[in-house]
Amino acid sequence: NAGVMQNPRHLVRRRGQEARLRCSPMKGHSHVYWYRQLPEEGLKFMVYLQKENIIDESGMPKERFSAEFPKEGPSILRIQQVVRGDSAAYFCASSQGQGNEQYFGPGTRLTVT
Amino acid sequence: KQEVTQIPAALSVPEGENLVLNCSFTDSAIYNLQWFRQDPGKGLTSLLLIQSSQREQTSGRLNASLDKSSGRSTLYIAASQPGDSATYLCAVRSDTDKLIFGTGTRLQVFP
Repeated sequence: NAGVMQNPRHLVRRRGQEARLRCSPMKGHSHVYWYRQLPEEGLKFMVYLQKENIIDESGMPKERFSAEFPKEGPSILRIQQVVRGDSAAYFCASSQGQGNEQYFGPGTRLTVT
Repeated sequence: KQEVTQIPAALSVPEGENLVLNCSFTDSAIYNLQWFRQDPGKGLTSLLLIQSSQREQTSGRLNASLDKSSGRSTLYIAASQPGDSATYLCAVRSDTDKLIFGTGTRLQVFP
């Protein structure tokens, strides 16, 4: 009974490159949430997705960030043209549905050099 | 706009002490409240989930209470151990389903 899986666990990118972060929800979960934890700050909500739908993207930066959760495969958080300020831990959570408990993955630590 | 505050920001105690961690939120219209533990460089482990209709939840040495009307929750840790050392986060969920986190309490329990 695997939990939420995220890969890679650590990702190093140079400024201007693209970063792709993957999240596989727990078995039976169709709702995925992405959160970001900047150094010395709390976790902030980014986006909430169901299969093939974005439900709430109110926490996503307006530019360079996008997320998807296709019918098949993991959810992807994509950051284009990364900058140093994107360095953070990105956590994914999944749930069975709205209102249900969210279970978190181990996170992807992105470092932009 | 919902804001979540945790006090104290850091706490250092000898093992064996009973502890109280505090969490306050500005909007009482919450769906539930969750307490998490985060170890350095690691993910989040859910400790307790309290629905808005509940007053408290217990798991082993942990007890969490919720007073929705006053916008407060407390996490009580009995007989603390060095293995309890971690950052403790509370998060509230509104009807939009996103979690709003506090900035955490960094706990160190020394032998």
